Amino acid sequence: EAQVTQNPRYLITVTGKKLTVTCSQNMNHEYMSWYRQDPGLGLRQIYYSMNVEVTDKGDVPEGYKVSRKEKRNFPLILESPSPNQTSLYFCASGHPPDSYNEQFFGPGTRLTVL
Amino acid sequence: SQKIEQNSEALNIQEGKTATLTCNYTNYSPAYLQWYRQDPGRGPVFLLLIRENEKEKRKERLKVTFDTTLKQSLFHITASQPADSATYLCALDDSGTYKYIFGTGTRLKVLA
Repeated sequence: EAQVTQNPRYLITVTGKKLTVTCSQNMNHEYMSWYRQDPGLGLRQIYYSMNVEVTDKGDVPEGYKVSRKEKRNFPLILESPSPNQTSLYFCASGHPPDSYNEQFFGPGTRLTVL
Repeated sequence: SQKIEQNSEALNIQEGKTATLTCNYTNYSPAYLQWYRQDPGRGPVFLLLIRENEKEKRKERLKVTFDTTLKQSLFHITASQPADSATYLCALDDSGTYKYIFGTGTRLKVLA
């Protein structure tokens, strides 16, 4: 089944404790992206990657790191999480510039930073 | 400043009626605009894309229009059903950079 998977799905952590949220896709997509979704602010892009070893900042990159060492994986790293990073995180992949440039989203990771 | 806006309030309509959702943007020049559906607690799902040189696009009961002069896209669901109840998001690509900007979404509720 074609899909984007994220792990963990739920995470409660404390301020300053480094964490990684994994994202993997099995559709051979070149494009991958991370978003956070907050009430009233909508979906905001954190980082995106056009291909292996190529990453770019989205609208809200501060406090996050990413890496793209393999085509299928795009982990999101929070080196020193803070409470304002409590959010719902989505990973997405796609294959621009195809016909629709659609993004396929993962199921989400709900992160709480205490 | 750049922004993309959708009706912030929820939209309630009767089953069988046409729902119309609005997406307005300022200070962007998108080559295309996308619409997604999002159910509570789940990731968005792609519905339609309309390009800047297209006035209208249809897919089954869905219709999207795009007016680059007004900087507006309208999303219509005809013969709406309770199963259409969800939040609908519009998104655009910032000047072909693949840096995507999403609206905050409009929550649609179709009443039986």
